Amino acid sequence: DSGVTQTPKHLITATGQRVTLRCSPRSGDLSVYWYQQSLDQGLQFLIQYYNGEERAKGNILERFSAQQFPDLHSELNLSSLELGDSALYFCASSFGVGSSGYNEQFFGPGTRLTVL
Amino acid sequence: ILNVEQSPQSLHVQEGDSTNFTCSFPSSNFYALHWYRWETAKSPEALFVMTLNGDEKKKGRISATLNTKEGYSYLYIKGSQPEDSATYLCAFESGQYNNNDMRFGAGTRLTVKP
Repeated sequence: DSGVTQTPKHLITATGQRVTLRCSPRSGDLSVYWYQQSLDQGLQFLIQYYNGEERAKGNILERFSAQQFPDLHSELNLSSLELGDSALYFCASSFGVGSSGYNEQFFGPGTRLTVL
Repeated sequence: ILNVEQSPQSLHVQEGDSTNFTCSFPSSNFYALHWYRWETAKSPEALFVMTLNGDEKKKGRISATLNTKEGYSYLYIKGSQPEDSATYLCAFESGQYNNNDMRFGAGTRLTVKP
């Protein structure tokens, strides 16, 4: 158990809908990262937040948005869902920003999203 | 190299064999190189974060080296055990402090036969 929690574990929805995925980082971690893992594209970095502020952006679509709240939990909002958005969405947390030997990322169990 | 490439794609070894994989990444704009171990139906687990050219890190039977000038990292497993069976991912972190980007390789799937 990494200490990172994600809810829900599974989510099934229809095209055009909007969903929110939630992540609680490990106690004491200030950075939250979101990743998408789909069958054909491997693990893709979406976005990173540090202490409530957006820190880095990867391959995140405009239909997707995220935020980190004062209690440091984060939500990933996916809207106008398409079939291709079906994937496993991971959240990870680390203590600081960037990467050093002290800022390894701890991954949550993931949320499996299925868009029908 | 514009993307992160890992080789081989898969590897089957016998218990007790030593093995190594390669991760190639862009040699410019380097910030950090991450190695993860990812078992089926589980989440990726961090092995190493390497930031300096020439870095060598070790955790038990697993070690890694880093060459940022030529853009590669090696992961070594000494005396492979069946429980080492997993996909090993590397991720290249690039960019400036305020806008780092992480790019993952496709992974090397290791199967260790008893």
